[in-house]
Amino acid sequence: GNSVTQMEGPVTLSEEAFLTINCTYTATGYPSLFWYVQYPGEGLQLLLKATKADDKGSNKGFEATYRKETTSFHLEKGSVQVSDSAVYFCARQGDSNYQLIWGAGTKLIIKP
Amino acid sequence: KAGVTQTPRYLIKTRGQQVTLSCSPISGHRSVSWYQQTPGQGLQFLFEYFSETQRNKGNFPGRFSGRQFSNSRSEMNVSTLELGDSALYLCASSLLEPGLAGGLVETQYFGPGTRLLVL
Repeated sequence: GNSVTQMEGPVTLSEEAFLTINCTYTATGYPSLFWYVQYPGEGLQLLLKATKADDKGSNKGFEATYRKETTSFHLEKGSVQVSDSAVYFCARQGDSNYQLIWGAGTKLIIKP
Repeated sequence: KAGVTQTPRYLIKTRGQQVTLSCSPISGHRSVSWYQQTPGQGLQFLFEYFSETQRNKGNFPGRFSGRQFSNSRSEMNVSTLELGDSALYLCASSLLEPGLAGGLVETQYFGPGTRLLVL
């Protein structure tokens, strides 16, 4: 089927730790992939995206690489801050329409 | 450019009432999508409008409806409110752009949401 699977949260880390949030997808082709972030009490913000295989999206110190071999788009950051505490959503573009298919979201908690 | 705006930001209603939420997309965006977000169900797609026509629809009952105006602004309406309709309602506007791989990419940009509480 068409789905997006994210690692279950919450993920709790100390400040300056290395972050990885796993995201894998199923698809018949090579859809565009996205990471969105939702800070407490706010809407979703586009964090980064990748529109073709091996493409790397990056923003605010976060990176994710489109890996078609492993159908993955893991989110990474070298040194997290307390202000990165939020819920992170992985999504892929639909095949027959442009609607996004969403992961369940991963809550990230960064402790000082 | 101004971002996506949603009004009102907060709303309290009672069971059986109806509610109308408004969304103004980013200038130039013709597609508007609506989502319901609850702690238990996560992010669920309601419907999408493009050029005043509903283009996609999620699995919600007919009490949930929407429309889009010629200026791309969109409204969604929920009639006969139930307690379970309490949620954050998010609107996203989008634009089709060429992707690096030669196809088209639709990137969604979200508003801050309307938080609805049904008592």
